[in-house]
Amino acid sequence: SQQGEEDPQALSIQEGENATMNCSYKTSINNLQWYRQNSGRGLVHLILIRSNEREKHSGRLRVTLDTSKKSSSLLITASRAADTASYFCATDATGTASKLTFGTGTRLQVTL
Amino acid sequence: EAQVTQNPRYLITVTGKKLTVTCSQNMNHEYMSWYRQDPGLGLRQIYYSMNVEVTDKGDVPEGYKVSRKEKRNFPLILESPSPNQTSLYFCASSLFGGGAADTQYFGPGTRLTVL
Repeated sequence: SQQGEEDPQALSIQEGENATMNCSYKTSINNLQWYRQNSGRGLVHLILIRSNEREKHSGRLRVTLDTSKKSSSLLITASRAADTASYFCATDATGTASKLTFGTGTRLQVTL
Repeated sequence: EAQVTQNPRYLITVTGKKLTVTCSQNMNHEYMSWYRQDPGLGLRQIYYSMNVEVTDKGDVPEGYKVSRKEKRNFPLILESPSPNQTSLYFCASSLFGGGAADTQYFGPGTRLTVL
């Protein structure tokens, strides 16, 4: 079964607004990553957060991790039309360091 | 330019006709893997390889074969394709391993249709 599940499945916002996506997972993890996928294209790595970290920033991206709730969130601030894409969380469960499991993704639409 | 390449990008074939999707990376990465992406199911790992001549099954290996004779290449082989293998396929590589501690670099994808 899927390790990560994103919420919401789809999100539509206007340019300039913030977008928040959530990821929940089922078992203890070593690390969690977020990836972005433009329609039909390959995934691109955005940010990595380790299990002992609670928050990380990269440009307009802010990721939080709550291991007690087994959840992570990705915040994109001041969104742009170019942020339109699907966003996936990916985890490696403790004891499975060679295996990355992806969630089903959140489809973000940013309109002008 | 550092990249993962896949060929072909699009392929329409018929049931039972053997096919190979090639994957090559120029970053000297140890780890390579194949995923399939289906609507509502996200990405599921098919096979992965930790190094040359070392391959292992992912979550959905049935109907697929792989080989890793050279570090840079990791072809995906469908010996007898069936319609349920119609999907979007991605090859990925990373420097050391497949876990979330290592950035995965993805190819552009191969859209396969099996009639």
